[in-house]
Amino acid sequence: NAGVTQTPKFQVLKTGQSMTLQCAQDMNHEYMSWYRQDPGMGLRLIHYSVGAGITDQGEVPNGYNVSRSTTEDFPLRLLSAAPSQTSVYFCASSYSRAGAGATNSYTFGSGTRLTVV
Amino acid sequence: SQQGEEDPQALSIQEGENATMNCSYKTSINNLQWYRQNSGRGLVHLILIRSNEREKHSGRLRVTLDTSKKSSSLLITASRAADTASYFCVVESGGYNKLIFGAGTRLAVHP
Repeated sequence: NAGVTQTPKFQVLKTGQSMTLQCAQDMNHEYMSWYRQDPGMGLRLIHYSVGAGITDQGEVPNGYNVSRSTTEDFPLRLLSAAPSQTSVYFCASSYSRAGAGATNSYTFGSGTRLTVV
Repeated sequence: SQQGEEDPQALSIQEGENATMNCSYKTSINNLQWYRQNSGRGLVHLILIRSNEREKHSGRLRVTLDTSKKSSSLLITASRAADTASYFCVVESGGYNKLIFGAGTRLAVHP
């Protein structure tokens, strides 16, 4: 089924370890983004991309890197995991860019629950 | 502080009753969207209302938007136990796809 696929679903890391969260979409969406959700809070934007080869920072980018070499994939890298990065991570995609009158809805993956000990 | 702030934070009703959730935001917007999140799952898009629209319907959902008051409401009519979830008001603002989330309203519908 078409959609956004995130892997892994669960991960436990030790402080200082690095890892990559994978996100892939098969809807030919230009826009992809990563969010984190902490308990009792909404989602906060980490990084986003408006197309292959283009990335930019969101609200909480520190400690994370991204790249967009293909339209389909948008991996999120944790360089040196910290307990403060314990969270649920969501990847989302949309067909086109925003703007006045835009009607894009966003498709979300099912999330990656990350625990850093 | 976060935009797209929902009110109430939690709502508990009986099946068949209507549920109303409100949202306030702070900046000019391209559109406002409502998403549902079931416990431990991803977010599902419910409805989008553009900045030049005032009301929109989709099935049992009714959304209103008042840009002068920077507020929106989501009404779920004839609620069902399956509507139990968290509901997020999300504003899209600016020239790029930047979604700004509130903390959500946790809705519990009791059989």
